[in-house]
Amino acid sequence: DAKTTQPPSMDCAEGRAANLPCNHSTISGNEYVYWYRQIHSQGPQYIIHGLKNNETNEMASLIITEDRKSSTLILPHATLRDTAVYYCIVRGGYYGGATNKLIFGTGTLLAVQP
Amino acid sequence: NAGVTQTPKFQVLKTGQSMTLQCAQDMNHEYMSWYRQDPGMGLRLIHYSVGAGITDQGEVPNGYNVSRSTTEDFPLRLLSAAPSQTSVYFCASSNTASDEKLFFGSGTQLSVL
Repeated sequence: DAKTTQPPSMDCAEGRAANLPCNHSTISGNEYVYWYRQIHSQGPQYIIHGLKNNETNEMASLIITEDRKSSTLILPHATLRDTAVYYCIVRGGYYGGATNKLIFGTGTLLAVQP
Repeated sequence: NAGVTQTPKFQVLKTGQSMTLQCAQDMNHEYMSWYRQDPGMGLRLIHYSVGAGITDQGEVPNGYNVSRSTTEDFPLRLLSAAPSQTSVYFCASSNTASDEKLFFGSGTQLSVL
C-alpha cells in the first residue's frame, strides 16, 4: 500500500472550514484514500473514503486531485468536538487477502480553537 | 447494540506474567483485528482474522497470540509480558475483509512493569 504524508498539526477557528491535506504520490490505480479520526483516548472513527471522484457525507468532504497524488479532507464548519488526530490512509482494492489491514501513520492533530 | 467491546480498560502486569485482552463484537462481523498504539508511532497491526478459525499476522505479531473460535470473539494473548508491550491496544472489526469501514473498540491501556 502507498505511503501517505500529512502535516503533524493544524489549527482551525471554530465555525470555519478545516482543510486537512494528504500527499500520496505513490498511489496506484486501484488504491482508495481513507480518512479516519481519533478523538483523545478513543478508538479511531471512520470518516470517508474515495477512489478518484470527490465524495461527501454527513461528516466531511473528500477532494482528490485529478492525478490522485494528493487529497484534502474538508470539515465544513469545524466545532470544538472535531479536535482530534486525523489519519489519511491509502488501501488497495480486494485481492483475495484481508484488505482491511489499514496502516495508520501518525496523522494530523487538528486543534479547533474557540 | 454495543458494537466492539474491549475488556479490561486498564491493566498493570509484571514482567513475565501472562494475560488475555478480550474483544467481542455483536455486529456479526467477519473481520476482526488488533492494533497497538504507542506515542508518536500511530497504530500498528498485530494480528487479524477474516473469519472464525482463520487468523494471520500483521506488522508486529511477536509476543502475541490470537485465536478465533467464534465470530463474536477475538482474544489477544500475551504469553510472557515484557515492558516493550506497554501500550494502548485497540480491537477493530468490519463486516467483511473488504469492507471499507472499520469499527474500533475503546481500547485497553496496558502497563508492564
